[in-house]
Amino acid sequence: DSGVTQTPKHLITATGQRVTLRCSPRSGDLSVYWYQQSLDQGLQFLIQYYNGEERAKGNILERFSAQQFPDLHSELNLSSLELGDSALYFCASSGNRGTEAFFGQGTRLTVV
Amino acid sequence: QKEVEQDPGPLSVPEGAIVSLNCTYSNSAFQYFMWYRQYSRKGPELLMYTYSSGNKEDGRFTAQVDKSSKYISLFIRDSQPSDSATYLCAMSAVRSGNTPLVFGKGTRLSVIA
Repeated sequence: DSGVTQTPKHLITATGQRVTLRCSPRSGDLSVYWYQQSLDQGLQFLIQYYNGEERAKGNILERFSAQQFPDLHSELNLSSLELGDSALYFCASSGNRGTEAFFGQGTRLTVV
Repeated sequence: QKEVEQDPGPLSVPEGAIVSLNCTYSNSAFQYFMWYRQYSRKGPELLMYTYSSGNKEDGRFTAQVDKSSKYISLFIRDSQPSDSATYLCAMSAVRSGNTPLVFGKGTRLSVIA
């Protein structure tokens, strides 16, 4: 158990809808990262938050947004969903002293 | 040129074989190197973490870094069917948790009993 919790584990929704994915980082970790992994694809970095502020942005679509709350949990909002958004979405966290990131078990999103 | 290159495989080996997994990178600033193991539909799990050049051993796993060649390796001795997974390399230029890791695409490994 990495200590990173993601909910829900599975999500099925229709095109055009909006969903929110939730992540609780390891206790004390200030950084939260969001990644997308499509079938047979590598991990695509989406966005990073550090202690409530956006720190780095990767290949995140404008339809997607994220935030990190004062209790350090984070949410990834995906809107106007398309079939191509079907993927595994991972959250990871890291501490201020460590480089390594610890991953949650992911949310499997299916857009139908 | 991508920052991190990793052969996607798939790599299929018999049980008991020595497995060698590799990544090359282009950014000479990278100093921290990690290997993650990802079972199907699960989150990546940190396997090995090394700093700068040299070797690090943990049980059946050995991580090797050659900064002069910008080349890192993960060796698995006495491979087991339970080692069947995708292995991702990751690296960073800084120690703090303030920047995202750069990942390779992963190598899919199958160990056949």
